[in-house]
Amino acid sequence: ELKVEQNPLFLSMQEGKNYTIYCNYSTTSDRLYWYRQDPGKSLESLFVLLSNGAVKQEGRLMASLDTKARLSTLHITAAVHDLSATYFCAPNRGTSYGKLTFGQGTILTVHP
Amino acid sequence: KAGVTQTPRYLIKTRGQQVTLSCSPISGHRSVSWYQQTPGQGLQFLFEYFSETQRNKGNFPGRFSGRQFSNSRSEMNVSTLELGDSALYLCASSLSDRNAYEQYFGPGTRLTVT
Repeated sequence: ELKVEQNPLFLSMQEGKNYTIYCNYSTTSDRLYWYRQDPGKSLESLFVLLSNGAVKQEGRLMASLDTKARLSTLHITAAVHDLSATYFCAPNRGTSYGKLTFGQGTILTVHP
Repeated sequence: KAGVTQTPRYLIKTRGQQVTLSCSPISGHRSVSWYQQTPGQGLQFLFEYFSETQRNKGNFPGRFSGRQFSNSRSEMNVSTLELGDSALYLCASSLSDRNAYEQYFGPGTRLTVT
């Protein structure tokens, strides 16, 4: 059974600072998704990482995937208040494209 | 291109009743997956339908069921509602192709069981 652990679960940052969210998973997966969720809203896709060593960047967020270590990271650069949200990672196996197993989520709060 | 739509958006039911939620995927998408989100259990996979067939199933009791129609629209049904079924129910659609992997989520249906 695929298990996914994110850390930290709560992250309070000052604007302008950098930080990394980690996503560890227990079994081989060939892709990994990162989503953002604002309070009371649905999930917004941030990144899909498809292979070992994949790195994607969008604005102040950069995600990477190490399939050998079963680890993905979401790095935040020079945080701004608008990044405050809950972030989820979800690894996925090729045999079950429609089935995502989510981490617990990391609640990010960015303070002025 | 219209996104994933879910109806109703909010629902209040009484324990013991049943409920049906609907999800219309993005045009051309053949896969619909359902998830339950609660503060205690987080986001959990319920089931996935592809071409009117259930392709994957999560670890939920038989009170939770679903189906998919020929136009790819999907419904999920929860019978004999319990207080613990109060949650945000999300559906996601995708082309379900190895080269078309994005899953797009709808706005969700918030179910409250009293």
